[in-house]
Amino acid sequence: GENVEQHPSTLSVQEGDSAVIKCTYSDSASNYFPWYKQELGKGPQLIIDIRSNVGEKKDQRIAVTLNKTAKHFSLHITETQPEDSAVYFCAEKDTGFQKLVFGTGTRLLVSP
Amino acid sequence: GAGVSQSPSNKVTEKGKDVELRCDPISGHTALYWYRQSLGQGLEFLIYFQGNSAPDKSGLPSDRFSAERTGGSVSTLTIQRTQQEDSAVYLCASSPDGQGGTEAFFGQGTRLTVV
Repeated sequence: GENVEQHPSTLSVQEGDSAVIKCTYSDSASNYFPWYKQELGKGPQLIIDIRSNVGEKKDQRIAVTLNKTAKHFSLHITETQPEDSAVYFCAEKDTGFQKLVFGTGTRLLVSP
Repeated sequence: GAGVSQSPSNKVTEKGKDVELRCDPISGHTALYWYRQSLGQGLEFLIYFQGNSAPDKSGLPSDRFSAERTGGSVSTLTIQRTQQEDSAVYLCASSPDGQGGTEAFFGQGTRLTVV
């Protein structure tokens, strides 16, 4: 069955540093990999996604990389700010009409 | 509406009572998901609707849980004879067609507390 492993579970950085969160998946048919940010008391918010036909995608301070051979993808946040503090979830989905499978989440804390 | 709407936002119920949670997806979205999130935990898949296809119910934890989606739009998650372990935030999401490569958007969730 589908499985997504996410590391680390918690990550503390200083403001201005970079943060990297990594996920590994098992379903070779997966072709869509979104990342969600969840702030306290709110629903998860889609922040960036990548499809299997590209290896990297960037949007301002956030970027996602995908290695389909190794079946892993990563979220990179540069120049972190305190408002980046939240729980981040990776997810994957295959080509058909299938559910999104989520990682276990990473709690990011950015200290001023 | 502009986004996925869930109601109520909070629900406190007594152990043994039945509860209904409602989700209004984004207009035109054919795929709808329910997830459960216990305090400080990840997203546990419950059920997935895609158009007129039979729903994927593989995540429902027991036969006390059921869900319907009427007219391909609004969905109701029903929990019968609630137990304290049912206390969690129940999240609904919708996406345009549910195929790989389409974005899913979440509502704010319903926080269920069973006392």
